[in-house]
Amino acid sequence: AQKVTQAQTEISVVEKEDVTLDCVYETRDTTYYLFWYKQPPSGELVFLIRRNSFDEQNEISGRYSWNFQKSTSSFNFTITASQVVDSAVYFCALSGLSYNTDKLIFGTGTRLQVFP
Amino acid sequence: DGGITQSPKYLFRKEGQNVTLSCEQNLNHDAMYWYRQDPGQGLRLIYYSQIVNDFQKGDIAEGYSVSREKKESFPLTVTSAQKNPTAFYLCASKNTEAFFGQGTRLTVV
Repeated sequence: AQKVTQAQTEISVVEKEDVTLDCVYETRDTTYYLFWYKQPPSGELVFLIRRNSFDEQNEISGRYSWNFQKSTSSFNFTITASQVVDSAVYFCALSGLSYNTDKLIFGTGTRLQVFP
Repeated sequence: DGGITQSPKYLFRKEGQNVTLSCEQNLNHDAMYWYRQDPGQGLRLIYYSQIVNDFQKGDIAEGYSVSREKKESFPLTVTSAQKNPTAFYLCASKNTEAFFGQGTRLTVV
């Protein structure tokens, strides 16, 4: 069975602090995709990143970085020098590639509040 | 503009009524999904479709029905059998990554 766990329900930081959102996943597939999405108060989910299981290189995009470690089944997301606009709910998601697992499964989300 | 369009944005349902939420995409994606989100909760999969005229139940399909007669459209019907339908409903279409609509907030009155 596929599962995504985001153990941190809510995180509060002060602006300019670094913050890491944890994501642990379970799958029997050898090939799969991992994703991060941002949900601002408006409700619409915004795609942030997709990572396939063959690519364990860390990725950096501006203040955002992602650490994929297949050995620990983790795909953590770090925001450097956080800003108030980063306040949102962040979801980690998993999708396999076989017929029964090619569905997008989400974790329960982490609510990030950044205070000025 | 390319994207996912959900309508209506807000919907009120009387108890015992069926209501249909619309989801249209012009991204030429084969796969489409419906999720339910309750306040402070994550996204739970209701139904998904990998191809026209085919769909599978997700984790919470009871009380819901869908159809996929066209590639562009994946409407969700919330039936009277769904005992607690008040929630935020999100539709998505996916090729390699999923793109989401703006959601429909359904309230039972």
